[in-house]
Amino acid sequence: EPEVTQTPSHQVTQMGQEVILRCVPISNHLYFYWYRQILGQKVEFLVSFYNNEISEKSEIFDDQFSVERPDGSNFTLKIRSTKLEDSAMYFCASGPGLAGSSIVFFGPGTRLTVL
Amino acid sequence: GESVGLHLPTLSVQEGDNSIINCAYSNSASDYFIWYKQESGKGPQFIIDIRSNMDKRQGQRVTVLLNKTVKHLSLQIAATQPGDSAVYFCAVPMYSGGGADGLTFGKGTHLIIQP
Repeated sequence: EPEVTQTPSHQVTQMGQEVILRCVPISNHLYFYWYRQILGQKVEFLVSFYNNEISEKSEIFDDQFSVERPDGSNFTLKIRSTKLEDSAMYFCASGPGLAGSSIVFFGPGTRLTVL
Repeated sequence: GESVGLHLPTLSVQEGDNSIINCAYSNSASDYFIWYKQESGKGPQFIIDIRSNMDKRQGQRVTVLLNKTVKHLSLQIAATQPGDSAVYFCAVPMYSGGGADGLTFGKGTHLIIQP
Protein backbone atom coordinates (compact mmCIF):
# COMPACT_ATOMS: atom_id res chain seq x y z
CA GLU A 1 0.00 0.00 0.00
CA PRO A 2 1.48 3.39 -0.95
CA GLU A 3 2.44 5.64 1.91
CA VAL A 4 3.97 9.01 2.65
CA THR A 5 7.60 8.82 3.68
CA GLN A 6 9.68 11.38 5.56
CA THR A 7 13.35 11.89 6.25
CA PRO A 8 15.06 12.21 8.59
CA SER A 9 13.10 10.60 11.39
CA HIS A 10 14.90 12.79 13.91
CA GLN A 11 16.75 16.06 13.34
CA VAL A 12 18.73 17.86 16.00
CA THR A 13 19.90 21.37 15.28
CA GLN A 14 21.23 24.44 16.99
CA MET A 15 19.07 27.50 17.40
CA GLY A 16 19.48 29.82 14.42
CA GLN A 17 20.43 27.07 12.00
CA GLU A 18 18.51 26.21 8.87
CA VAL A 19 16.84 22.82 8.54
CA ILE A 20 15.19 21.10 5.62
CA LEU A 21 12.67 18.38 6.26
CA ARG A 22 11.96 16.06 3.40
CA CYS A 23 8.90 14.17 2.30
CA VAL A 24 7.88 11.91 -0.53
CA PRO A 25 4.08 12.12 -0.90
CA ILE A 26 1.96 9.33 -2.36
CA SER A 27 2.70 9.34 -6.05
CA ASN A 28 -0.70 10.09 -7.58
CA HIS A 29 -1.75 12.66 -4.99
CA LEU A 30 -2.23 16.28 -5.95
CA TYR A 31 -2.28 18.10 -2.61
CA PHE A 32 0.56 18.27 -0.16
CA TYR A 33 0.65 19.54 3.39
CA TRP A 34 2.83 20.15 6.37
CA TYR A 35 1.55 19.92 9.92
CA ARG A 36 3.33 20.10 13.23
CA GLN A 37 2.63 18.67 16.66
CA ILE A 38 4.32 20.04 19.72
CA LEU A 39 4.83 17.30 22.30
CA GLY A 40 1.58 16.43 24.01
CA GLN A 41 -0.47 18.88 22.00
CA LYS A 42 -2.77 18.67 19.02
CA VAL A 43 -1.78 18.50 15.40
CA GLU A 44 -1.60 21.97 13.81
CA PHE A 45 -1.88 22.87 10.14
CA LEU A 46 1.02 24.77 8.63
CA VAL A 47 0.58 24.90 4.87
CA SER A 48 -1.05 23.28 1.86
CA PHE A 49 0.49 23.11 -1.58
CA TYR A 50 -1.13 22.46 -4.94
CA ASN A 51 -0.09 22.93 -8.53
CA ASN A 52 3.38 24.07 -7.48
CA GLU A 53 2.25 26.84 -5.23
CA ILE A 54 1.02 27.44 -1.72
CA SER A 55 -2.76 27.15 -1.47
CA GLU A 56 -3.27 28.02 2.17
CA LYS A 57 -1.11 28.69 5.17
CA SER A 58 -1.72 29.21 8.84
CA GLU A 59 -0.49 31.95 11.14
CA ILE A 60 2.28 29.63 12.26
CA PHE A 61 3.73 29.54 8.75
CA ASP A 62 5.62 32.83 8.88
CA ASP A 63 8.54 34.09 6.81
CA GLN A 64 10.89 31.63 8.49
CA PHE A 65 9.13 28.78 6.72
CA SER A 66 9.11 27.85 3.07
CA VAL A 67 8.06 24.84 1.05
CA GLU A 68 9.24 23.51 -2.24
CA ARG A 69 8.56 20.68 -4.61
CA PRO A 70 11.98 20.50 -6.26
CA ASP A 71 11.14 17.56 -8.50
CA GLY A 72 8.27 15.23 -9.27
CA SER A 73 8.50 13.27 -6.07
CA ASN A 74 9.90 15.31 -3.17
CA PHE A 75 8.22 17.94 -1.02
CA THR A 76 10.32 19.89 1.45
CA LEU A 77 9.81 22.20 4.40
CA LYS A 78 12.61 24.63 5.18
CA ILE A 79 12.95 26.54 8.41
CA ARG A 80 15.49 29.29 7.84
CA SER A 81 16.53 30.20 11.36
CA THR A 82 15.24 27.72 13.89
CA LYS A 83 13.98 28.78 17.28
CA LEU A 84 13.60 26.71 20.43
CA GLU A 85 9.83 26.77 20.01
CA ASP A 86 10.14 25.11 16.60
CA SER A 87 10.90 21.86 18.40
CA ALA A 88 8.05 19.54 17.43
CA MET A 89 7.03 16.62 15.28
CA TYR A 90 6.55 17.71 11.70
CA PHE A 91 4.18 15.66 9.62
CA CYS A 92 3.97 15.71 5.88
CA ALA A 93 0.66 14.67 4.35
CA SER A 94 -0.77 14.23 0.91
CA GLY A 95 -4.26 13.92 -0.47
CA PRO A 96 -5.80 12.83 -3.75
CA GLY A 97 -7.91 15.96 -3.99
CA LEU A 98 -11.22 14.18 -4.45
CA ALA A 99 -14.13 16.56 -4.79
CA GLY A 100 -15.55 17.52 -1.43
CA SER A 101 -13.05 15.44 0.49
CA SER A 102 -10.31 16.65 2.77
CA ILE A 103 -8.96 13.20 3.60
CA VAL A 104 -5.21 13.29 3.79
CA PHE A 105 -2.66 10.63 4.53
CA PHE A 106 0.14 11.39 6.94
CA GLY A 107 3.75 10.36 6.99
CA PRO A 108 5.48 9.04 10.11
CA GLY A 109 6.87 12.46 10.98
CA THR A 110 10.24 14.08 11.62
CA ARG A 111 11.06 14.93 15.19
CA LEU A 112 12.85 18.28 15.19
CA THR A 113 14.82 19.18 18.29
CA VAL A 114 16.24 22.69 18.49
CA LEU A 115 18.92 23.19 21.13
CA GLY B 1 -12.16 30.67 14.13
CA GLU B 2 -13.09 27.02 14.25
CA SER B 3 -12.34 25.19 17.41
CA VAL B 4 -12.63 21.49 17.85
CA GLY B 5 -12.51 19.85 21.20
CA LEU B 6 -12.83 16.49 22.81
CA HIS B 7 -14.65 15.88 26.01
CA LEU B 8 -12.18 13.58 27.74
CA PRO B 9 -8.40 13.51 27.52
CA THR B 10 -8.19 9.82 28.54
CA LEU B 11 -10.63 6.95 28.19
CA SER B 12 -9.88 3.54 29.66
CA VAL B 13 -11.94 0.52 28.61
CA GLN B 14 -11.70 -3.22 29.03
CA GLU B 15 -10.63 -5.26 26.04
CA GLY B 16 -13.71 -6.48 24.23
CA ASP B 17 -15.90 -3.64 25.45
CA ASN B 18 -17.26 -0.91 23.23
CA SER B 19 -15.82 2.58 23.51
CA ILE B 20 -17.25 5.96 22.66
CA ILE B 21 -15.08 8.99 21.99
CA ASN B 22 -16.77 12.35 21.77
CA CYS B 23 -16.00 15.58 19.97
CA ALA B 24 -17.63 18.99 19.91
CA TYR B 25 -17.16 21.61 17.22
CA SER B 26 -17.95 25.28 17.20
CA ASN B 27 -18.79 26.23 13.62
CA SER B 28 -22.34 25.33 12.71
CA ALA B 29 -21.39 25.72 9.03
CA SER B 30 -18.93 22.81 9.24
CA ASP B 31 -20.15 20.13 6.89
CA TYR B 32 -17.44 17.51 6.87
CA PHE B 33 -15.75 15.66 9.72
CA ILE B 34 -12.92 13.19 9.93
CA TRP B 35 -11.61 10.90 12.66
CA TYR B 36 -7.94 10.09 12.89
CA LYS B 37 -6.06 7.63 15.06
CA GLN B 38 -2.51 8.28 16.18
CA GLU B 39 -0.45 5.50 17.66
CA SER B 40 2.61 6.32 19.70
CA GLY B 41 5.43 7.58 17.53
CA LYS B 42 3.42 7.54 14.33
CA GLY B 43 1.53 9.97 12.17
CA PRO B 44 -2.26 10.29 12.27
CA GLN B 45 -4.08 7.54 10.42
CA PHE B 46 -7.46 8.10 8.74
CA ILE B 47 -10.28 6.09 10.27
CA ILE B 48 -13.59 7.33 8.93
CA ASP B 49 -15.30 10.48 7.72
CA ILE B 50 -18.84 11.79 7.57
CA ARG B 51 -20.61 14.58 5.74
CA SER B 52 -23.24 16.73 7.37
CA ASN B 53 -26.03 15.29 5.21
CA MET B 54 -25.62 12.07 7.19
CA ASP B 55 -26.08 11.43 10.89
CA LYS B 56 -24.43 8.03 10.98
CA ARG B 57 -21.78 6.19 9.08
CA GLN B 58 -20.34 2.76 9.72
CA GLY B 59 -17.01 1.24 8.95
CA GLN B 60 -15.26 -1.85 10.10
CA ARG B 61 -15.90 -1.96 13.89
CA VAL B 62 -16.29 1.81 13.92
CA THR B 63 -19.34 4.03 13.73
CA VAL B 64 -19.42 7.79 13.62
CA LEU B 65 -22.50 9.64 14.79
CA LEU B 66 -23.14 13.27 13.98
CA ASN B 67 -25.57 15.50 15.85
CA LYS B 68 -25.64 18.82 14.05
CA THR B 69 -28.17 20.29 16.43
CA VAL B 70 -25.72 20.28 19.31
CA LYS B 71 -22.60 20.30 17.13
CA HIS B 72 -21.34 17.02 18.44
CA LEU B 73 -19.91 13.90 16.90
CA SER B 74 -18.80 10.64 18.36
CA LEU B 75 -16.69 7.69 17.34
CA GLN B 76 -17.82 4.32 18.54
CA ILE B 77 -15.40 1.42 18.46
CA ALA B 78 -16.92 -2.02 18.89
CA ALA B 79 -15.19 -4.89 20.68
CA THR B 80 -12.02 -2.97 21.41
CA GLN B 81 -8.72 -4.69 20.87
CA PRO B 82 -5.22 -3.90 22.18
CA GLY B 83 -4.38 -2.43 18.79
CA ASP B 84 -7.03 0.22 19.32
CA SER B 85 -4.89 1.87 21.98
CA ALA B 86 -4.03 5.27 20.54
CA VAL B 87 -4.93 8.93 20.62
CA TYR B 88 -8.06 9.70 18.62
CA PHE B 89 -8.62 13.09 16.99
CA CYS B 90 -11.60 14.57 15.29
CA ALA B 91 -10.81 17.05 12.55
CA VAL B 92 -12.72 19.49 10.39
CA PRO B 93 -11.63 21.36 7.26
CA MET B 94 -10.57 24.88 8.01
CA TYR B 95 -12.34 26.50 5.12
CA SER B 96 -14.45 25.20 2.27
CA GLY B 97 -13.82 21.49 2.54
CA GLY B 98 -11.98 21.23 -0.73
CA GLY B 99 -8.73 19.49 -1.47
CA ALA B 100 -6.47 22.36 -0.49
CA ASP B 101 -8.02 22.79 2.92
CA GLY B 102 -5.99 22.33 6.00
CA LEU B 103 -7.60 20.47 8.86
CA THR B 104 -8.29 21.77 12.34
CA PHE B 105 -7.67 18.97 14.81
CA GLY B 106 -9.17 18.52 18.23
CA LYS B 107 -6.95 17.97 21.25
CA GLY B 108 -7.25 14.22 21.19
CA THR B 109 -8.54 11.48 23.48
CA HIS B 110 -6.10 8.83 24.61
CA LEU B 111 -7.88 5.47 24.48
CA ILE B 112 -6.35 2.89 26.78
CA ILE B 113 -7.39 -0.74 26.43
CA GLN B 114 -7.17 -2.69 29.67
CA PRO B 115 -6.50 -6.45 29.31
